[in-house]
Amino acid sequence: GQNIDQPTEMTATEGAIVQINCTYQTSGFNGLFWYQQHAGEAPTFLSYNVLDGLEEKGRFSSFLSRSKGYSYLLLKELQMKDSASYLCAVTDSNYQLIWGAGTKLIIKP
Amino acid sequence: DAGITQSPRHKVTETGTPVTLRCHQTENHRYMYWYRQDPGHGLRLIHYSYGVKDTDKGEVSDGYSVSRSKTEDFLLTLESATSSQTSVYFCAISPTGTEGGNTIYFGEGSWLTVV
Repeated sequence: GQNIDQPTEMTATEGAIVQINCTYQTSGFNGLFWYQQHAGEAPTFLSYNVLDGLEEKGRFSSFLSRSKGYSYLLLKELQMKDSASYLCAVTDSNYQLIWGAGTKLIIKP
Repeated sequence: DAGITQSPRHKVTETGTPVTLRCHQTENHRYMYWYRQDPGHGLRLIHYSYGVKDTDKGEVSDGYSVSRSKTEDFLLTLESATSSQTSVYFCAISPTGTEGGNTIYFGEGSWLTVV
């Protein structure tokens, strides 16, 4: 079967750095997405990785290792507004999106 | 923001009644999707469409049907609602699917409670 694993919940302090991990086992791989979802709202796109390495976009960076079936989302200089769920999704060999259950990130002052 | 409108946004219905959720887009995107989101589960695909009158099943399609008679509208119907279909339903759109990293954009969600 296809599976994506993320921690259920993480807590971090305002101004700090947090890394959210995602491991996947899918039939084929055609890219990995990270989405942010605030409570009661729609998911919104954060990043896309298809090649190994780090993609940086402001305070957010996303890393991919295809050989290890592993990605992480790195959030720097955390702000209270970063409190949200972070969803990892992988595109399989049929270009279908397989979603993780999401990681709820709690930011404390 | 992508022009996606879902209606109704909130609905309470009784077991056994039919329910239709509507997704309307103004982006002229080819692909449209219906997902459900439940605690402890990732987003799960119910049905999707790749053009007018072209639809296909997702991983949790039992108990649901869809129709797309116009590019801009994608309807999700629960033929006979059950309590297990209490969920948040998200419509999503994409210009060309997810090939090449094309992003999918989500509507604001429809909260459905079946009592």
